Amino acid sequence: DTAVSQTPKYLVTQMGNDKSIKCEQNLGHDTMYWYKQDSKKFLKIMFSYNNKELIINETVPNRFSPKSPDKAHLNLHINSLELGDSAVYFCASSPYRDSSYNSPLHFGNGTRLTVT
Amino acid sequence: QQQVKQSPQSLIVQKGGISIINCAYENTAFDYFPWYQQFPGKGPALLIAIRPDVSEKKEGRFTISFNKSAKQFSLHIMDSQPGDSATYFCAATTQGGSEKLVFGKGTKLTVNP
Repeated sequence: DTAVSQTPKYLVTQMGNDKSIKCEQNLGHDTMYWYKQDSKKFLKIMFSYNNKELIINETVPNRFSPKSPDKAHLNLHINSLELGDSAVYFCASSPYRDSSYNSPLHFGNGTRLTVT
Repeated sequence: QQQVKQSPQSLIVQKGGISIINCAYENTAFDYFPWYQQFPGKGPALLIAIRPDVSEKKEGRFTISFNKSAKQFSLHIMDSQPGDSATYFCAATTQGGSEKLVFGKGTKLTVNP
């Protein structure tokens, strides 16, 4: 009964390839997020969707494209992978539109992407 | 521009000791300050959070102290245990809008037995 689940857990691929990471939440939350954690553990938001509507789109290369087929799913597709894309990508969700005292973030366990 | 500065980067404490992690913020509009705990191979999990209308929030061995005038807040872990060894992140945001949650750079805590 995992609340926020991501697949795959590990992803090893070569430069130039295209890959996708899937995320699903069974908490009934309205908002989902993608965060990137670099090798120094710094957490940075990439995107957020509220009921399938994009509400936060940080300065992320166009090679990254989120897709939300419904409010329980948020996938991340990455084109033309580069070495610098290697990181851990976390999906998260929150009950309402923002992250707040009544709407805390719930994170998945991450997808470790390694680009060789 | 880093909006939440966290220190120290790493911390080693003996079992039973007090662990203290500090954060400072710049944006006076911030009104929600959570702390997240992350174990290796896992995602961050909400540990405790505070709003600026109180100066302290305590949950078990974990306490947040908040100083609005100094724009600082800290996490205190009393009677630290080896199981508390993890990376801790402070964060801040403004509630009610589309503001993103901004994280500090994290503190790796090691509690020695």
